[in-house]
Amino acid sequence: GQNIDQPTEMTATEGAIVQINCTYQTSGFNGLFWYQQHAGEAPTFLSYNVLDGLEEKGRFSSFLSRSKGYSYLLLKELQMKDSASYLCAVRDGDYKLSFGAGTTVTVRA
Amino acid sequence: SQTIHQWPATLVQPVGSPLSLECTVEGTSNPNLYWYRQAAGRGLQLLFYSVGIGQISSEVPQNLSASRPQDRQFILSSKKLLLSDSGFYLCAWSAGTSHTGELFFGEGSRLTVL
Repeated sequence: GQNIDQPTEMTATEGAIVQINCTYQTSGFNGLFWYQQHAGEAPTFLSYNVLDGLEEKGRFSSFLSRSKGYSYLLLKELQMKDSASYLCAVRDGDYKLSFGAGTTVTVRA
Repeated sequence: SQTIHQWPATLVQPVGSPLSLECTVEGTSNPNLYWYRQAAGRGLQLLFYSVGIGQISSEVPQNLSASRPQDRQFILSSKKLLLSDSGFYLCAWSAGTSHTGELFFGEGSRLTVL
């Protein structure tokens, strides 16, 4: 089975940086995903890491350390529209994708 | 381009009534298909996934069932709904030939069981 942990809530100011951590314990590993989900909507794909290191995509970056079972999503230059839930998901050895409970980020003016 | 649709978007059902949620994918062949449920304030729970027609794997042994009558059609059903079945149901697909592909989600179906 999977055990994926991430903080429940985070608050930051517009223009600031926020880092959302995710730790996981899985039976096998075939990649880690980050999704963004606005209230009442379906999740949308943000990033994918399968090798150790940092992947950068505009204002969003995602980091992975497989030996530590750890990832983070970095959101820079926060905008009001970034207020959403951010889901960490891990694909296990059977290629099933399991999700953490999500981190609700609130951006304040 | 590939698209995924699921319906209905919202439904309110009494306890003990049946359920049918339908999902179709367009623009791709032999997709992996998934049903997830998200309870209020909770994470996404994988209910069923399918790698081909008639091939269904169940993750949660409850009063729900899934079927894949066609390559790009995935149906979630129940004969008798429980209060605990309330939630946000999401259908998703990933490329069948690529194990590294991300999931693409449908718009979701919000079910309230009264």
